[in-house]
This record gives sequence, structure tokens and C-alpha cells, in this order.
Amino acid sequence: EAQVTQNPRYLITVTGKKLTVTCSQNMNHEYMSWYRQDPGLGLRQIYYSMNVEVTDKGDVPEGYKVSRKEKRNFPLILESPSPNQTSLYFCASSLFGSNEQFFGPGTRLTVL
Amino acid sequence: QKEVEQNSGPLSVPEGAIASLNCTYSDRVSQSFFWYRQYSGKSPELIMSIYSNGDKEDGRFTAQLNKASQYVSLLIRDSQPSDSATYLCAVNSRAGGTSYGKLTFGQGTILTVHP
Repeated sequence: EAQVTQNPRYLITVTGKKLTVTCSQNMNHEYMSWYRQDPGLGLRQIYYSMNVEVTDKGDVPEGYKVSRKEKRNFPLILESPSPNQTSLYFCASSLFGSNEQFFGPGTRLTVL
Repeated sequence: QKEVEQNSGPLSVPEGAIASLNCTYSDRVSQSFFWYRQYSGKSPELIMSIYSNGDKEDGRFTAQLNKASQYVSLLIRDSQPSDSATYLCAVNSRAGGTSYGKLTFGQGTILTVHP
């Protein structure tokens, strides 16, 4: 089944404790992206990647890091999480040349 | 002005009626337009894409695009309670001088279809 997977789906952590949210897709998509969704603010892009080893900032990159060492994986790293990063996070992917993005199931992160 | 704005909700329609969802965008060179449906607690699901002026129909859904007015809409005919969800308008906008890859989303419109 073609899909985007994220792990973990739910995470409660404390301020300053480094964490990684994984994202993987099995559709051979070149493009991958991370979004956060907050009430009243909608979906905002954090980082995106057009291919392996090619990443760029979205609209709200502060406090996040990403890497793209393999085509199928695009992990999101929070090196020192803060409470304002409490949010619902989505990973998405699409084929090169297409803007039709397919979303993963989401990761609900709470930073205490 | 927000880059992508949707009509404020929530929108409530009776079962069987037409639901009309609207979206305006500010970037004149935007080329790709999408409607996503998001059920509560779930991820956005692509339901329509439109790239050229005019109407595009898919089952009960019709997307309409007017680039001169920078306006895109989604009509849902014969609305069903299962259509109750948040509808997100997304517009492809420029990123680093290219249009590839960057989607900007509206804040969403909550639609409720009541029996």
C-alpha cells in the first residue's frame, strides 16, 4: 500500500530533551515536507526537501532540523524542544514535478 | 493580507444541499490549486486539484478557478453528513524562484452537513 508513515504518533516530552520524529514514504517520491498545524494558524511548512541531500527552510524553521540521506526518509529533529513547539506535525511527499502532496497520519507532540 | 484566505466558517448546510467553499490568494503567479479534506484528528486528504481557469468536476465535487480574480472555489453537490470536515485550500507558491514544491494553506473552513 502506498503510504507515508510517521513515528511516533504521540509523544509527550520535556523541555530541552532532544527528539526525532521519523517520516518514511514508499512511493519513490522526490519531494518531502514537514508541516505543523496549530489552531487558528492552519498548516505551516517547516522544512522541505526536493531530493536526497537537498533541503530548504519553509515558513517556520526555527528550532527544527532535518536531513535527507535516503530518498524514502525525512526525519524531523528537535534538538532542544520548547513548549511553543507543542503541535500536530505532518509529513508529506509528492513526485517531482507534481504539487499533489500526500500526507502522513500526523504526530501529536506535547512539550512540557 | 494573508497569502491564502478562506471564507470564515463554520459553514452549516442541510443534507442534499450544495456547499460552497471559497478561497482567495495573493500571489498572482501561483499555478496549482488544491482542495484537501481533513476529518477531525486525521491528516489532510487531497480531493481536488485544478491548474487552469474554469471548472473541474469529479463526482459530487466541482472546483472552480479564476486566475484573474485570484479566486478558487469548491462546490459539493448533494452534501452528505459524511462530508462534514474541515476543507483546506492550498496554493502552490514560489520557492527560491521556482514554483515547485511549496504549498501555502488557508486556515480552513469547517463544514457541517446536518441530516
